[in-house]
Parts: sequence; structure tokens; C-alpha cells
Amino acid sequence: QVQLQESGPGLVKPSQTLSLTCAVSGDSVSSGDYYWTWIRQPPGKGLEWIGYIYKSGDSYSIPSLKSRVTMSVDTPKNQFSLKLRSVTAADTAVYYCARGDSDVWSLFDRWGQGTLVTVSS
Amino acid sequence: QSALTQPASVSGSPGQSITISCTGISSDGGMYSLVSWYQQHPGKVPKLILYEDAKRPSGVSNRFSGSKSGTTASLTISGLQAEDEADYYCCSFAGSKTSGHMVFGGGTKLTVL
Repeated sequence: QVQLQESGPGLVKPSQTLSLTCAVSGDSVSSGDYYWTWIRQPPGKGLEWIGYIYKSGDSYSIPSLKSRVTMSVDTPKNQFSLKLRSVTAADTAVYYCARGDSDVWSLFDRWGQGTLVTVSS
Repeated sequence: QSALTQPASVSGSPGQSITISCTGISSDGGMYSLVSWYQQHPGKVPKLILYEDAKRPSGVSNRFSGSKSGTTASLTISGLQAEDEADYYCCSFAGSKTSGHMVFGGGTKLTVL
């Protein structure tokens, strides 16, 4: 059974860096059938796709976050990570990691439980 | 503001059918215009209920169906049940083939009266 689990600080100070890791079990981040993605949801608001990383290390993030986002994949540990720099209160959200289908890009079939990250001093 | 537009809310009585629209789907065709739909109950993780416009993952009720016409996709829920009350999001590709990315619609809150 494929499972994803996010981990990282639940509280980050403004201007600092948000760092999250998604541990994958039951599948390999090296699988060519999938890509690994981050999605966030501010409290009371809708879902926002942040970006993805592929097994090769190729990554993409949405233009509004691109200058602040770094994504990486750690094959030996079977996990992938998100770093978001210079955070503000607007980055407060539940952050989900999810598995995306390489052929059907909008198909996210496995999700982590989500982790709430609050940006506050 | 999302590139995919959904109604903010819809409602229906038990047993009825409702349809949620999602406009702004890419007209490029192929993988660029495929749509998935997600159901999210309060405080819960989003759940995939439809992909490739109209396909259902294993275990999803056949009361959920999807369609697409041009740049508008639709999710229909028939035989409404209380448990269907949730937020629903469409997801697809937005932007140009060279610089686009995945995007979710703004979400639709379904109330079962």
C-alpha cells in the first residue's frame, strides 16, 4: 500500500525558510510512472498546486513561487522535499505531498495526510 | 485567482442530481486538456473521484460521472446522498504547452439539503 507522509516544522517565522519532507512507502520515488508533487491549502481556501519533482531531479514550480521554491528528491531515503524561502503569513497553509501520474498529469492518486505550517513570529 | 472557474456553491436534495462545471480547460487537446476531479470533506485529505475527464478510480461510486465539452468539464453526482456533502475541485493543465502547469479550480461547496 502506497503511503506518503509529510514532516517538518509546524511553525515558521516570517522571512525564514519552510522546509518539508515527504517520505514515501510502498512505491519508489525512482519510479518512472509517477512524479512527486506539492499542493497547499490556506485555511478556509482552495487547493493550490505548487510544483513537482521527477526522479531525475527535474522540477517545476508555479511562477508565483518559483523564485522562492526549491524541490529535491532523495532516492536512497525514498523521499522528496520542499523548501520555500522568505515566507510570509500568506504562506500559512496545509501542505500536502502527493503522487502524480506521469501520463495523466492531473491525476494525484496518493496523498499525504497534510501538515499545517503556520508562519508567525 | 484560478485559471479554472467553478461555481462557489451548489445544492440539492437527497436523491436528486447536481452538476458542477469547470470552465477554462485548455483547448490544446490531448494530455493538456485532461481533467480530474477531487472530493474533500472538511478536515480531510482530497480524494480523487474522476480522472481523464470521466474515468472512475476503483472504489468510487458510479453515481459520480464526468464529461467535457470544449473548454468546460462537468461533474455530475446522481442520487445525492448526505455523505456527498463536501468541497469538489477540478484540476487540469493551464497555460501554454511550454510554460503551463497544473491548476485547481477554486472549488465548489456542495450542500445536501
